[in-house]
Amino acid sequence: QVQLQESGPGLVKASETLSLTCTVSGGSISSGSSYWGWIRQPPGKGLEWIGSIYYSGTTYYNPSLKSRVTISIDTSKNQFSLELTSVTASDMAVYYCARQRGGVRSGYHDYWGQGSLVTVSS
Amino acid sequence: QSVLTQPPSASGTPGQRVTISCSGTSSNIGRHPVNWYQQVPGTAPQLLIFTNNQRPSGVPARFSASTSGTSASLAISGLQSEDEADYYCASWDDSLNGGVFGTGTKVTVL
Repeated sequence: QVQLQESGPGLVKASETLSLTCTVSGGSISSGSSYWGWIRQPPGKGLEWIGSIYYSGTTYYNPSLKSRVTISIDTSKNQFSLELTSVTASDMAVYYCARQRGGVRSGYHDYWGQGSLVTVSS
Repeated sequence: QSVLTQPPSASGTPGQRVTISCSGTSSNIGRHPVNWYQQVPGTAPQLLIFTNNQRPSGVPARFSASTSGTSASLAISGLQSEDEADYYCASWDDSLNGGVFGTGTKVTVL
């Protein structure tokens, strides 16, 4: 059973960088059959796709966040990470990591982390 | 910013059939598979339907979905109290070169 767990600071100051890590257990992040992604959800709002990464390092980003976001992968630790720079109040959200099967364009997120609430302070 | 449009709410009494629409364009639903997620408030989304109409193991058969052109729909037959949740469609958009989620629909069991 694949499990994902987000970790990182729950409070980030405005203009600073949000950093989260997703640790994968129960399966190898470098198996090649999955992409690994980040999705966020502001309080009381809907889901927003942030981006995805393949074990090779190939990345896809939401164009609205592309200038501020970096997703990286560490196969030796079975982890992938999210960095979002210059955060503002609009970046406050629950951040989910998820496994994506079936390819990046035709795939689906079948396993999700429990989510990590990130609050932005002024 | 969602490019997939869903009705904000839907409701029904236990046992009824409820349908949720997801409207897109030729750059997303018209070209790529649609997936559906169920989210009980306070919990992470769960995959409900993948690749247009496939149910993951463990998802009851009362959940079904279909696509037609640039639209998709999710149907819940025999509505149950535990189906009260938010539902999101999702796909890939070639114009954005990224994943997109629907606006979400809150299903209420009356």
